[in-house]
Amino acid sequence: QKEVEQDPGPLSVPEGAIVSLNCTYSNSAFQYFMWYRQYSRKGPELLMYTYSSGNKEDGRFTAQVDKSSKYISLFIRDSQPSDSATYLCAILNSGAGSYQLTFGKGTKLSVIP
Amino acid sequence: ETGVTQTPRHLVMGMTNKKSLKCEQHLGHNAMYWYKQSAKKPLELMFVYSLEERVENNSVPSRFSPECPNSSHLFLHLHTLQPEDSALYLCASSQDMTAPRQYFGAGTRLSVL
Repeated sequence: QKEVEQDPGPLSVPEGAIVSLNCTYSNSAFQYFMWYRQYSRKGPELLMYTYSSGNKEDGRFTAQVDKSSKYISLFIRDSQPSDSATYLCAILNSGAGSYQLTFGKGTKLSVIP
Repeated sequence: ETGVTQTPRHLVMGMTNKKSLKCEQHLGHNAMYWYKQSAKKPLELMFVYSLEERVENNSVPSRFSPECPNSSHLFLHLHTLQPEDSALYLCASSQDMTAPRQYFGAGTRLSVL
């Protein structure tokens, strides 16, 4: 089983829709749960991160983690054409000289005006 | 701009060539990373440097050779590459190895003929 599973899409939604992006993971030792956004011809940029179960909100974005189910989600409210990008989930376990950072494949999102 | 600069942006090389990718960060960070991004595959962490010491080498072939002369600069030396090494190579930095937020450069698009 892959460590992080993410549906690559593509996902196409109309402007204003609520978008739900999801990942599952297998290693319960992971500490940080992150969402990156990557525009075409650019490097990824961090949108949000959290380290505990529950919700974290930042403007139109909400990150949700359920450690018991090993499931993480990113919700985008009132989606805009400028949200069209690839969204990557990433999970980190770091400490004592070791470093494990695993990304999902990324979900390509298109928001249609 | 993210504060992480990669050069060149594009590189075409033959399998017998030797070339180097360069990364520079102006953020005062102590950790730097090399990633490989291929189509339809998750972002793969290749090397991790913390305070100029290599921490992780995730089973990367020896034809890829990293160098970190100081905390601001990171190189990836390439020799006798294979066509399957064609990909986007991304550099990133973070405050330290435990910080979840990484800042990515725009990447070098490498084509191996």
